[in-house]
Amino acid sequence: EVQLVESGGGLVQPGGSLRLSCAASGFTFSSYWMHWVRQAPGKGLVWVSRINSDGSSTSYADSVKGRFTISRDNAKNTLYLQMNSLRAEDTAVYYCALPWHYWGQGTLVTVSS
Amino acid sequence: EIVLTQSPGTLSLSPGERVTLSCRASQSVSSSYLAWYQQKPGQAPRLLISGASSRATGIPDRFSGSGSGTDFTLTISRLEPEDFAVYYCQQYGSSPETFGQGTKVEIK
Repeated sequence: EVQLVESGGGLVQPGGSLRLSCAASGFTFSSYWMHWVRQAPGKGLVWVSRINSDGSSTSYADSVKGRFTISRDNAKNTLYLQMNSLRAEDTAVYYCALPWHYWGQGTLVTVSS
Repeated sequence: EIVLTQSPGTLSLSPGERVTLSCRASQSVSSSYLAWYQQKPGQAPRLLISGASSRATGIPDRFSGSGSGTDFTLTISRLEPEDFAVYYCQQYGSSPETFGQGTKVEIK
């Protein structure tokens, strides 16, 4: 059974940093591209970033480019999202996704002073 | 960036009714890489349809997708109580992958 479990969310002040993790199981993690998608409270889904299977290629939404870094550890079956220079508008539930059939349950990031 | 516009924003319907949701793209969606999701409060999105018309595993056959190019449709043939939710379309044929703003199907 495919499982994606996000962690690392929480309350952070504007300008701060957080690292999200997504632990994957039930499939050959190293063979698949992975994505992060976020959803602000009461709003729609927004694609954030993706990474190819070996981590050599990444892509970002313009809104997070230069501030967020996606990475993966295929030995640990884990996907990461390093988020720096956080802003209030980054407040959202962050989902990792195995495109596009499987999604984690999400982790809430709140940026507030 | 491909912009997806969903209509209507909200539908108020009764169980048993037929539902048609629209998703229009600002430019052609590559190879019909168009998906539909259902999302209920507090839950992750659930994939219903991929490739514009292929039902995901375990999705009831009352859900169907159609369309190509710039115009796509999700149809629910007969609304069940568990179908009241928000529905999103997504294109994943070109980067950045983009989502529509959603259509809420609520109980009348």
